[in-house]
Amino acid sequence: GDSVTQMEGPVTLSEEAFLTINCTYTATGYPSLFWYVQYPGEGLQLLLKATKADDKGSNKGFEATYRKETTSFHLEKGSVQVSDSAVYFCALSDPSSGNTPLVFGKGTRLSVIA
Amino acid sequence: SQTIHQWPATLVQPVGSPLSLECTVEGTSNPNLYWYRQAAGRGLQLLFYSVGIGQISSEVPQNLSASRPQDRQFILSSKKLLLSDSGFYLCAWSVSPGGYGTEAFFGQGTRLTVV
Repeated sequence: GDSVTQMEGPVTLSEEAFLTINCTYTATGYPSLFWYVQYPGEGLQLLLKATKADDKGSNKGFEATYRKETTSFHLEKGSVQVSDSAVYFCALSDPSSGNTPLVFGKGTRLSVIA
Repeated sequence: SQTIHQWPATLVQPVGSPLSLECTVEGTSNPNLYWYRQAAGRGLQLLFYSVGIGQISSEVPQNLSASRPQDRQFILSSKKLLLSDSGFYLCAWSVSPGGYGTEAFFGQGTRLTVV
């Protein structure tokens, strides 16, 4: 079945550091890929998405490129802020699997210190 | 625009007591609906999902149940809570049927503590 693997963390960075959170996937079809962010005590919010190979999703300084050849969708940000501290989830939606839920990775906790 | 409401925000219940968490979606019709749980410091566990009224798929056998009495209403229940039921419960919806770019939208969650 479909699956998502992401680095588990926690990741601790200093403010203005470069962030990479790795995400790889396996899917039977051609999935859409997503990054969600969860701030403490809140639900998940969609951060960005990409629906086909070589698409780049971007939002709030974060970006991720859909790499079909490496089945990856790594999240990057050039300069993190304390307010970016949160848990980040990589997810996929595989239309070939029918009307089924998103498949999520286990989440990566990011802590940014001033 | 579409919105999702989930309540209550926090709940403290004794072991053995019943549970009812409610989720409603506004601004869309025939959504797919989901219940997830997060244990402390853990990832998301899909509990139930529904593609229509009265249609419930259970992902994990346990003492929880779900019902969808109306198109945009999804209820999570238990007859007798266990300590292990403590966690953060999240309701979500997505467009039906799913397809390219079909993301899910989440409620704000319910923090359940069983004591």
